[in-house]
Amino acid sequence: NAGVTQTPKFQVLKTGQSMTLQCAQDMNHEYMSWYRQDPGMGLRLIHYSVGAGITDQGEVPNGYNVSRSTTEDFPLRLLSAAPSQTSVYFCASSYSKTGPSGYEQYFGPGTRLTVT
Amino acid sequence: EDQVTQSPEALRLQEGESSSLNCSYTVSGLRGLFWYRQDPGKGPEFLFTLYSAGEEKEKERLKATLTKKESFLHITAPKPEDSATYLCAVQRGYGGSQGNLIFGKGTKLSVKP
Repeated sequence: NAGVTQTPKFQVLKTGQSMTLQCAQDMNHEYMSWYRQDPGMGLRLIHYSVGAGITDQGEVPNGYNVSRSTTEDFPLRLLSAAPSQTSVYFCASSYSKTGPSGYEQYFGPGTRLTVT
Repeated sequence: EDQVTQSPEALRLQEGESSSLNCSYTVSGLRGLFWYRQDPGKGPEFLFTLYSAGEEKEKERLKATLTKKESFLHITAPKPEDSATYLCAVQRGYGGSQGNLIFGKGTKLSVKP
C-alpha cells in the first residue's frame, strides 16, 4: 500500500491564483481530512469528510473548498490564493467513523505552499 | 473550550538521559488520546492510542501513559534518532465532528550524542 499520497510537494502561487492540492489513499478509509500547519499554531483542521459525497467544515475553512466523489480521493481547492494561506498542508485518513477504535489518522507527506 | 496543551515546547537531552513529555487536556468526554512523531519536512507518524485512565502502551524506548487530566510520553535512554517533534491529539467522540482530532502544538525533542 502507498498509504496517503499528496501532490505536489511544493508550490508557489501568486495572490489571486487558484489551485488544487491532491490527496489520495489506498487503504479504503472512510474518514479523510485536511490540516494546515503553521509555526507556533500546531495542526488546524480545514475540512473533513466521513465518506464519499459527505464533507464538512473544520476550524479554519475560509478560502478553501473540498469535494469527495470517491472513497480514495479528497482534493483541496484554493479559490483565490492569499499570502495568509502560505503554510504546509497535510491530508490524513482513518478507518472508522464510529465506534471506540480505528480513529488513528495516517498522514501524507505534506504540500508546502507559498503565496506571494 | 476543548484544549490540548503540551509541555515543554522544546527539550534538549543528552543521549541516555531519560525524561518525560507532558500533554494536558480539557475535553468534554475523552474518547481517545493519540501520540504522533513528526520529523522535519514530513507528515506526522502515528505512535500510540490510549483510551482510558490507567492505560499504558510501549514501543521501543517510548512509553505512553494516561490519567484523567493528562498523558505522559516517557523516553528511556534516548538516542539521537529519537529527535523529532512529538504531537498529542484528543478525540471527543464518535462520528461526525466529534471524531475530529484536536492537536497540541507539540514538543520538539533534541537528543545530543
